[in-house]
Amino acid sequence: GAGVSQSPRYKVAKRGQDVALRCDPISGHVSLFWYQQALGQGPEFLTYFQNEAQLDKSGLPSDRFFAERPEGSVSTLKIQRTQQEDSAVYLCASSLGQGEEKLFFGSGTQLSVL
Amino acid sequence: SQKIEQNSEALNIQEGKTATLTCNYTNYSPAYLQWYRQDPGRGPVFLLLIRENEKEKRKERLKVTFDTTLKQSLFHITASQPADSATYLCALSRETGANNLFFGTGTRLTVIP
Repeated sequence: GAGVSQSPRYKVAKRGQDVALRCDPISGHVSLFWYQQALGQGPEFLTYFQNEAQLDKSGLPSDRFFAERPEGSVSTLKIQRTQQEDSAVYLCASSLGQGEEKLFFGSGTQLSVL
Repeated sequence: SQKIEQNSEALNIQEGKTATLTCNYTNYSPAYLQWYRQDPGRGPVFLLLIRENEKEKRKERLKVTFDTTLKQSLFHITASQPADSATYLCALSRETGANNLFFGTGTRLTVIP
């Protein structure tokens, strides 16, 4: 596609529900990143894939957060038993994977946990 | 602890003036540093990349400097315009060879006509 696509654009969940956020990176991009952005803050790194391999998941805040990219293209970020503090914008980015390069971001999914 | 700090949450300047934004970091050894622009409701958009062996980089009205001794980058927008109003984020890798970027807190720039 022309850019990084994320869906849904907005998600409202009741506390305790599970949610799944989808990211469709730019075609051919090897690297894929997930970030969490709270209101008025910079993006916080969550996890990073190179093809289907999850190379760094050090930013995932708890074991309720899980990300996958089974075929090295589309990625899903899953949050189990959502809590109010999970409310944030979840940004996905992709890059060619050649190092020292810019990231292309999607518009994000705004998650509100009530 | 590792920190990336940007000088202020908000900066207001008059149209036509030069805006200068600061990014300071501790406990990182980045091979490169990047600057992004973010508009409300959108993801960040890449502006410039500067490597550790480069002192300065320019692109149109934008200029970035990188001082690895001071652990600081300065981002300048000359002849600022109201359309430059946005949040500006610096981002860097934790170390040489690392591909994942870590972002600063951002500075919200408002250019007043």
